[in-house]
Amino acid sequence: AQSVTQLDSQVPVFEEAPVELRCNYSSSVSVYLFWYVQYPNQGLQLLLKYLSGSTLVKGINGFEAEFNKSQTSFHLRKPSVHISDTAEYFCAVFNDYKLSFGAGTTVTVRA
Amino acid sequence: GAVVSQHPSWVICKSGTSVKIECRSLDFQATTMFWYRQFPKQSLMLMATSNEGSKATYEQGVEKDKFLINHASLTLSTLTVTSAHPEDSSFYICSARDFLSTDTQYFGPGTRLTVL
Repeated sequence: AQSVTQLDSQVPVFEEAPVELRCNYSSSVSVYLFWYVQYPNQGLQLLLKYLSGSTLVKGINGFEAEFNKSQTSFHLRKPSVHISDTAEYFCAVFNDYKLSFGAGTTVTVRA
Repeated sequence: GAVVSQHPSWVICKSGTSVKIECRSLDFQATTMFWYRQFPKQSLMLMATSNEGSKATYEQGVEKDKFLINHASLTLSTLTVTSAHPEDSSFYICSARDFLSTDTQYFGPGTRLTVL
């Protein structure tokens, strides 16, 4: 069975500061990993995904994530955030043709 | 990119009535569609998976007679909440996957259901 743990429920950050959102997963098999962003009252938008190959994955809006198999982690980072990055972020693992989501991390960017 | 729409975006209904939510893939054929439910400040919970032309597969704990899912075409799936009650109030999100990409799902904008 798959499970995803997002270690931070809320992350306040100042504009232009870096941010890291932590995600750990548990799986006994190879996994595909995803990060999604959800803006208020909207659906989910794919930020990036790791399927195989390079462990450093670059996504949209300046986000990147690093897959670490030994630590079973897939942390999301952005070197400089904007006010518009205020949103809910979900880490997800794909297995058996289904996505399992973490509980989400609320990022609030302040000026 | 692939676009998935949902209709309506929000709906308010009286307790005991049924509500139908549509999910459409606009520029691709969705062999599989998923329905999720999201409570405030919480994650998405998968309710069911539907494949075009066959019966939906429901997750444990989801009442199939309560949440009727129909996936009659490659671009349309519907979720009907039957005899809705206030506890059914939630944000319902669908996603779709095309036959070319087994790992990527495209999400709709969601439907806010409020049952009075």
